[in-house]
Amino acid sequence: AQKVTQAQTEISVVEKEDVTLDCVYETRDTTYYLFWYKQPPSGELVFLIRRNSFDEQNEISGRYSWNFQKSTSSFNFTITASQVVDSAVYFCALSERATGGSYIPTFGRGTSLIVHP
Amino acid sequence: DVKVTQSSRYLVKRTGEKVFLECVQDMDHENMFWYRQDPGLGLRLIYFSYDVKMKEKGDIPEGYSVSREKKERFSLILESASTNQTSMYLCASSIVGSWGTEAFFGQGTRLTVV
Repeated sequence: AQKVTQAQTEISVVEKEDVTLDCVYETRDTTYYLFWYKQPPSGELVFLIRRNSFDEQNEISGRYSWNFQKSTSSFNFTITASQVVDSAVYFCALSERATGGSYIPTFGRGTSLIVHP
Repeated sequence: DVKVTQSSRYLVKRTGEKVFLECVQDMDHENMFWYRQDPGLGLRLIYFSYDVKMKEKGDIPEGYSVSREKKERFSLILESASTNQTSMYLCASSIVGSWGTEAFFGQGTRLTVV
């Protein structure tokens, strides 16, 4: 079973539409971290946001917002008024504690977002 | 800014060759990772290292080895390259901390084995 499930393989929208990317995770740890990354066509993954398991406060940053719900093990990402530059692959990741005190990110399979002009 | 640099953007190697992928980070991070990215499969962890000379297997270590002789450098080695190792390889680094900080990624190396 996947630890991080991004059920949406590809989403296609028209510019200015709102779009929500879903992420469901699975862990037995009480302390863990959740992330969203963006991978534009250039290929380099760009960090967007981190949430720890004790902080369910939702966050808004410009056109981006995140909804973390422990009760449903979900960490969804919404882009408001999408733009062509938002076209990218978005990855959700879960970090759990591992050897040496490190937290190791496990990634979902990604959601490809295509924003048409 | 954190900088993770992978030695090559594109590589073409022949089946059976020994291949070295190099990664260097300049932020004194303890953790370094090698992931492989394939369409529809996302990023899969090959190996990670949390200190010099320390390494741990990830989810798909078969056919790979790693070396970390210096803190800033983490090498991925394909002992005998095969066509099924054609993929995008991503290196990342992060600090060890109780707050689970984010990983910083290099630009990726697209390896083709012919």
